[in-house]
Amino acid sequence: AQSVTQLDSQVPVFEEAPVELRCNYSSSVSVYLFWYVQYPNQGLQLLLKYLSGSTLVKSINGFEAEFNKSQTSFHLRKPSVHISDTAEYFCAVSEIQGAQKLVFGQGTRLTINP
Amino acid sequence: ETGVTQTPRHLVMGMTNKKSLKCEQHLGHNAMYWYKQSAKKPLELMFVYSLEERVENNSVPSRFSPECPNSSHLFLHLHTLQPEDSALYLCASSQEPGQYYNSPLHFGNGTRLTVT
Repeated sequence: AQSVTQLDSQVPVFEEAPVELRCNYSSSVSVYLFWYVQYPNQGLQLLLKYLSGSTLVKSINGFEAEFNKSQTSFHLRKPSVHISDTAEYFCAVSEIQGAQKLVFGQGTRLTINP
Repeated sequence: ETGVTQTPRHLVMGMTNKKSLKCEQHLGHNAMYWYKQSAKKPLELMFVYSLEERVENNSVPSRFSPECPNSSHLFLHLHTLQPEDSALYLCASSQEPGQYYNSPLHFGNGTRLTVT
């Protein structure tokens, strides 16, 4: 069975600073990888996903994540954050074959300080 | 109205009460889900419905009883809950169950449940 570990429960950064939210996964088979974002008082929404092909995937609001198979990681980055990026970010993994369950990490709360 | 709507947004109930959470999706999806979100824990999948048929039940205590009368509506009936059941309960839908690579989950804003 697959599992996801988000190494930081909280990440505080200043506005316009870069940020990296870490995600590592464990699986015995190939996986799809996802980042979901939960803004305050809202449900989760898909931010970006890796299915195949280029290991670097990007969202429309400036986030990007890179799939690293050898390190089993899918870290999320943004070169310059904005106050509106304040949210909780969840990494998730789904095995390509088999039960295809979607397993979430514990979440990382990103707080942007002015 | 679009997306996934959950009511109520907040609910406080005693351990002997019976209450229900409601979810409605306006996306024409075939699958609906209940998730439990507790602080500092991964989202826990509770139930999955596909075309009104329950296809997954992840060892959820019987004090939680789901109901899916049609593909647009999902309920979670609550009875004799415990304080540790306090959490944010999220409803989600997707076009097809399980095919997360091409059928992403769309979540509602959740119901914040407090059991006293």
